[in-house]
Amino acid sequence: DQQVKQNSPSLSVQEGRISILNCDYTNSMFDYFLWYKKYPAEGPTFLISISSIKDKNEDGRFTVFLNKSAKHLSLHIVPSQPGDSAVYFCAASVNFGNEKLTFGTGTRLTIIP
Amino acid sequence: DTAVSQTPKYLVTQMGNDKSIKCEQNLGHDTMYWYKQDSKKFLKIMFSYNNKELIINETVPNRFSPKSPDKAHLNLHINSLELGDSAVYFCASSQDWTSGGQNYGYTFGSGTRLTVV
Repeated sequence: DQQVKQNSPSLSVQEGRISILNCDYTNSMFDYFLWYKKYPAEGPTFLISISSIKDKNEDGRFTVFLNKSAKHLSLHIVPSQPGDSAVYFCAASVNFGNEKLTFGTGTRLTIIP
Repeated sequence: DTAVSQTPKYLVTQMGNDKSIKCEQNLGHDTMYWYKQDSKKFLKIMFSYNNKELIINETVPNRFSPKSPDKAHLNLHINSLELGDSAVYFCASSQDWTSGGQNYGYTFGSGTRLTVV
């Protein structure tokens, strides 16, 4: 039973354009959401997070949007840069992140120069 | 000066063998985890320790036994290895899981690719 889903396994975006990565979840108890970025042969690294009491969180080029009614979140990267090419994992937790993280299967983002 | 370090990075072994993966974190975090990333790239939690105490034990075969000698170390021992154990195993750590406030998630190690032949 996959509670966090990333339905697009891959995405290609032109450099300088906006990248939008999507994530859906089924567990209404989730109240904290995170995005991780992973390069080959490295562990995932934390990118940005959002609590369910917000619908948007911004950090530089990265913005995460949360739509609780649709159980959907998205990560926007603008402008996209070649160094953004990586696998992006969406993760969710209950208790505002103080419980285990449940991960999606990832989306491979390729930025085309 | 790696924050979460795992050894070995690669491990190739035969079916039936027993092997261990070590993990150490120098971040002063109270909680450590083992995650498994299978062939479908699905990252799934296996175990979690908080200050040397087991707090999460997902439905993992009892051939897998975590050991935490202190809060900076969480090792994973696997007995009687099977082909299906082939995966990438990630260790991670986080701040005290009972604390509130801003949560920056986990810090992951770079993974151990286990191949059972």
